[in-house]
Amino acid sequence: EVQLVESGGGLVKPGGSLRLSCAASGFTFSSYSMNWVRQAPGKGLEWVSSISSSSSYIYYADSVKGRFTISRDNAKNSLYLQMNSLRAEDTAVYYCARVLDSDPYYMDVWGKGTTVTVSS
Amino acid sequence: AIRMTQSPSSLSASTGDRVTITCRASQGISSYLAWYQQKPGKAPKLLIYAASTLQSGVPSRFSGSGSGTDFTLTISCLQSEDFATYYCQQYYSYPRYTFGQGTKLEIK
Repeated sequence: EVQLVESGGGLVKPGGSLRLSCAASGFTFSSYSMNWVRQAPGKGLEWVSSISSSSSYIYYADSVKGRFTISRDNAKNSLYLQMNSLRAEDTAVYYCARVLDSDPYYMDVWGKGTTVTVSS
Repeated sequence: AIRMTQSPSSLSASTGDRVTITCRASQGISSYLAWYQQKPGKAPKLLIYAASTLQSGVPSRFSGSGSGTDFTLTISCLQSEDFATYYCQQYYSYPRYTFGQGTKLEIK
């Protein structure tokens, strides 16, 4: 079964850091680009970051650039998101989602999400 | 950034109804559009990609159409399990994806 499982969420104070993980199984992880998408409470979906299959290409939304770092370990079938200088507006459910590493680039499989709460 | 605007933001309907949700892009995106269904507390689920191609396993009562800037998602005969929030997403400007604000489909 194709599966993505996020972990690492929790409660953190403003200015703090958190590292999210996404464990992949049931497919050839190294053939897919991976993304983080977040959803603030009661709000819509916001793309956060993307990393290509070989980590050659990395992109960030302007809202997180300079604070978040995406990475992956293909040997461990894992995706990561290091989040620093967290703000209240980063409070959200964070989903990882896969995208085939060639056109078309839609997100066909999503994890169940992990919740990040930034509050003092 | 490409803006995606959905209408309506919410919709009340009954089981058996036919409903249509519209998504408009701020610039032409060819057919690089996907539709997702999200139920409370769950992850989004891919329904349609390339504007009109049904994802494997998705019931045929779901259909999509459009290209360029205007797109629609139609559910031909609403079932109880279809009450959810629906999002459109453009991937024309991959990887800088943008989503519509969502359409909440509620039971009348």
